[in-house]
Amino acid sequence: DQQVKQNSPSLSVQEGRISILNCDYTNSMFDYFLWYKKYPAEGPTFLISISSIKDKNEDGRFTVFLNKSAKHLSLHIVPSQPGDSAVYFCAVSSGNTGKLIFGQGTTLQVKP
Amino acid sequence: DGGITQSPKYLFRKEGQNVTLSCEQNLNHDAMYWYRQDPGQGLRLIYYSQIVNDFQKGDIAEGYSVSREKKESFPLTVTSAQKNPTAFYLCACTRDGTDTQYFGPGTRLTVL
Repeated sequence: DQQVKQNSPSLSVQEGRISILNCDYTNSMFDYFLWYKKYPAEGPTFLISISSIKDKNEDGRFTVFLNKSAKHLSLHIVPSQPGDSAVYFCAVSSGNTGKLIFGQGTTLQVKP
Repeated sequence: DGGITQSPKYLFRKEGQNVTLSCEQNLNHDAMYWYRQDPGQGLRLIYYSQIVNDFQKGDIAEGYSVSREKKESFPLTVTSAQKNPTAFYLCACTRDGTDTQYFGPGTRLTVL
């Protein structure tokens, strides 16, 4: 049973518009949430994270929102650029082992 | 120039052979992790190690083995007992097991 779900396998947006990627999780004990970006045949690159004590974290064009009551996480990219086209994974962590549980990923395509 | 490296980038093996994937880091990070990625799926944890000479099974450890004799190195052996070894393998590390994980470039293993 998947503890972390990204229900949209793909998303296509126009350059300059907002991209919104979503992630749902099942366990309210998760306390740290991350987004990674991945190009084919490369390792994931860390983008942004948020701890459970916050509901928003912003870094440049990237903003992560956390809705703990809904167990929902989202990543907003604005404005979207063609170089943002990649697979985006959300990941969650709990405890101090550092173990991450990943969603299945959403492929974002930003069209010029 | 600090980082985490994996070698080789592509690896081919015949069915029934054991193969060892290399992961080295010079970030002085304590914790290291091995993941596997299959098409259309997220990353799944194989093994992790929080300290030298100690490691724990992840979610899909069957058919794999690891060692952690040095802080810098965490090699993964894919044994002949692994039923579906063809995949993209990713190594990651984190400073103390509670921080953000940073990934290597990955090794694509194909078993013929």
